[in-house]
Amino acid sequence: AQSVSQHNHHVILSEAASLELGCNYSYGGTVNLFWYVQYPGQHLQLLLKYFSGDPLVKGIKGFEAEFIKSKFSFNLRKPSVQWSDTAEYFCAVKDTDKLIFGTGTRLQVFP
Amino acid sequence: DTAVSQTPKYLVTQMGNDKSIKCEQNLGHDTMYWYKQDSKKFLKIMFSYNNKELIINETVPNRFSPKSPDKAHLNLHINSLELGDSAVYFCASSQGPGLYTFGSGTRLTVV
Repeated sequence: AQSVSQHNHHVILSEAASLELGCNYSYGGTVNLFWYVQYPGQHLQLLLKYFSGDPLVKGIKGFEAEFIKSKFSFNLRKPSVQWSDTAEYFCAVKDTDKLIFGTGTRLQVFP
Repeated sequence: DTAVSQTPKYLVTQMGNDKSIKCEQNLGHDTMYWYKQDSKKFLKIMFSYNNKELIINETVPNRFSPKSPDKAHLNLHINSLELGDSAVYFCASSQGPGLYTFGSGTRLTVV
């Protein structure tokens, strides 16, 4: 079965700093990859997804992620974070009929 | 209109009690899920139903029993609640592989 690793557990940034959150999945073949975001006290929302094609995918709110097959990675990036990006970020991979989530990365952005 | 609605939002109960959490989606999706999010924010799938049929039943104590009276509803009944059942339970529905719409969660506290 697939698994997902997120190595950054807690990231603290100042506004306007650049962001990169790591995500690695366990094995290759055809993969469907996702980033979900959970703002404080809210439900999870889809940020972006990768199914196939261009390995650089763009999502909502200025986020993007790059699928690098050789590294089994799908890192999330944003060139300039805002205070409102403070949230928990989850990488996920589709495994047969379900999503397997990583343990999440807590991002705190200070003004 | 709320797409995936869960009730109740908060549930505090004593050990040994039986409780239910309800979930309804008005998106017309065929597949619904229950996920458990523990105190460390780790999300783990519990059950999945497709058009009222159980398709995923992860390693969950049999005190947990899902029920899907129709494809718009997926309820979760928990018998003999234990302290370790304290968590946030998220319902979700899916329009396609990995494309989940989550409910706002039910925070269950067992005392």
